[in-house]
Amino acid sequence: AQSVTQLGSHVSVSEGALVLLRCNYSSSVPPYLFWYVQYPNQGLQLLLKYTTGATLVKGINGFEAEFKKSETSFHLTKPSAHMSDAAEYFCAVRGSNYQLTFGQGTLLPVNP
Amino acid sequence: GAVVSQHPSWVICKSGTSVKIECRSLDFQATTMFWYRQFPKQSLMLMATSNEGSKATYEQGVEKDKFLINHASLTLSTLTVTSAHPEDSSFYICSAREVRGADTQYFGPGTRLTVL
Repeated sequence: AQSVTQLGSHVSVSEGALVLLRCNYSSSVPPYLFWYVQYPNQGLQLLLKYTTGATLVKGINGFEAEFKKSETSFHLTKPSAHMSDAAEYFCAVRGSNYQLTFGQGTLLPVNP
Repeated sequence: GAVVSQHPSWVICKSGTSVKIECRSLDFQATTMFWYRQFPKQSLMLMATSNEGSKATYEQGVEKDKFLINHASLTLSTLTVTSAHPEDSSFYICSAREVRGADTQYFGPGTRLTVL
C-alpha cells in the first residue's frame, strides 16, 4: 500500500523567496514519485517525477525535487518564487497497478 | 506533449438524471485510463481504473452501478454518473497512461458536475 503526506496545506511565500513544499511517502515497493501542479478549475500538470537513477530531479518552471530514501521524502523546491507559481501542488506515489495516490495538496499563494 | 481532453468541461443536471463524461487521449493510445474525483479544497481520490476492452476496476467504496465506466477504444473512456444526486456534485478528472517512452500519466482538464 502507498500513502503520501504533504506537510502544510497552505504555504505562503513572497515573490523572489525560496519555495519549499514538503512531501513524505510510504510505499511497499520502490517508489515512483511525482509532483503535479493544479491551477483553479483545471486538471493536473506534471512538474517532475522520480523513477530510478539520479535522486535530484529537475522539472519544469525551475522546480526540482530530491528523493531521499532514508527520510522517505520527496520535497519540492524552487529558488525564487514567481507570481505565476501561485497554485495548488500535489505530491503522488505510483502503485503497482500504475494508479496514483495523492497527498492532500499544498496551496501556494505568492505575495507581491 | 501528450494531450488528454474531457467533455463536457462543466455540466449542471437535475437530480435523478444520468450524465456521461468523456475522456480522450488525443495523440496517443492509452490502454489504461484512470478516473478521479476531487471535492472542493481536497485531494484527488481514485475512483476506478479503466482498461481498454475489459471491465473497470473500482476502488473500495465506489459503487460500480452508480459510476459506469466504459473503455471501448484505445483513445476513449467514458464515465456515466447514473441517477445523479446532489452529493455526486464534484470535479471529475481523468488521466491516461502513455505506455511508450517515459510511461507517464497525463491528466484531462476535469469536468465540474453540479447536481441540483
